[in-house]
Amino acid sequence: AQKITQTQPGMFVQEKEAVTLDCTYDTSDPSYGLFWYKQPSSGEMIFLIYQGSYDQQNATEGRYSLNFQKARKSANLVISASQLGDSAMYFCAMREHSGGYQKVTFGIGTKLQVIP
Amino acid sequence: DTGVSQDPRHKITKRGQNVTFRCDPISEHNRLYWYRQTLGQGPEFLTYFQNEAQLEKSRLLSDRFSAERPKGSFSTLEIQRTEQGDSAMYLCASSSNDQDQGAVDTQYFGPGTRLTVL
Repeated sequence: AQKITQTQPGMFVQEKEAVTLDCTYDTSDPSYGLFWYKQPSSGEMIFLIYQGSYDQQNATEGRYSLNFQKARKSANLVISASQLGDSAMYFCAMREHSGGYQKVTFGIGTKLQVIP
Repeated sequence: DTGVSQDPRHKITKRGQNVTFRCDPISEHNRLYWYRQTLGQGPEFLTYFQNEAQLEKSRLLSDRFSAERPKGSFSTLEIQRTEQGDSAMYLCASSSNDQDQGAVDTQYFGPGTRLTVL
């Protein structure tokens, strides 16, 4: 089974609008963390936001927020007030703590294009 | 504040040649990771170091791949007898497991080395 599922290969959003990128995950580890990374065409993976499995509140970082629904095993990224520079690939990732080694598994990504 | 750096950024080689990539992590980070990313996919884990010790290796890391981190600082990834299937972006990331500060063990990535095997 896929550990991280991103079902939207591509998304379009109008500049200044909000957009939600979907991510579902699968783990039996009670302690885990969820990440979102942005990868522009230059190739560098840029860390955006983190949510721990025990965090009570949804994580927010500036225009980024993570809609964490633990029972549904989803961790959707919400980008508010989209900007042209937000056009990039977005990857959801999960870190599991089992065995003391913190392995990170990535989804296949969603390509976001912001339209002027 | 310097981030993770990787060298070279691009490498073109002929099948059968050996290549070596270097990664310099963020200076205070004790954990270092190598990933491989092929077109249309997310990064796939290859190997992980804590200080100079290589603690985990993926099954993706065949005998032709070797990684070192001799002094617990920079790391090298060598691919021997390259094959066309090795063409990919090789990403390095680093993190810190400073438990006392309760820091989130977030991995910060370098710009990657894009390998093309002809």
